[in-house]
Amino acid sequence: ETGVTQTPRHLVMGMTNKKSLKCEQHLGHNAMYWYKQSAKKPLELMFVYSLEERVENNSVPSRFSPECPNSSHLFLHLHTLQPEDSALYLCASSQVRTGWVGYGYTFGSGTRLTVV
Amino acid sequence: SQQGEEDPQALSIQEGENATMNCSYKTSINNLQWYRQNSGRGLVHLILIRSNEREKHSGRLRVTLDTSKKSSSLLITASRAADTASYFCATGLPLGGADGLTFGKGTHLIIQP
Repeated sequence: ETGVTQTPRHLVMGMTNKKSLKCEQHLGHNAMYWYKQSAKKPLELMFVYSLEERVENNSVPSRFSPECPNSSHLFLHLHTLQPEDSALYLCASSQVRTGWVGYGYTFGSGTRLTVV
Repeated sequence: SQQGEEDPQALSIQEGENATMNCSYKTSINNLQWYRQNSGRGLVHLILIRSNEREKHSGRLRVTLDTSKKSSSLLITASRAADTASYFCATGLPLGGADGLTFGKGTHLIIQP
């Protein structure tokens, strides 16, 4: 275990369903991230939360809605998805401090999402 | 936009040999990181090198950074079957105090026993 836990591990949903992905970190980090990984494409940064505030929304369609209720939890709410949204969704966390110099991410194992 | 790009896309070597992967990037960076991903799993952070560093070691890993050429290399010495995975470079940019890492498509490394 990495200290970042994602649930569920696998999810199959219809295009009219509403579901949520959950991420929890036990590392005391203060920044959390959602990435999308599709076959043969680079990881796409979707959302960034720093100190529980969203600081990046990388032109992600509104059918993806993030929520960060506290520094340990991150959700990705899904509704009316399309088949092309099928992918591995990865959550990560890191510790950021004043005078940013860059720190490594800790990733969860991901949620494999299939939209049918 | 894609910042880092790994080369080669795929690499197959015999166990015990050294594996070298390269990464090129386009804009100025503050740091460059390498990650490993086993099939269908999350990424694991391997090593971070800052823009004022030229070389860094961690166990069997050696990373170099050439900011004038905007390139980095990852060397894995004495490879093992367990090193079979995809390897990604990532470049960091500050985003509201957080790190916004941009990843390449990765190099898929296969170690033949």
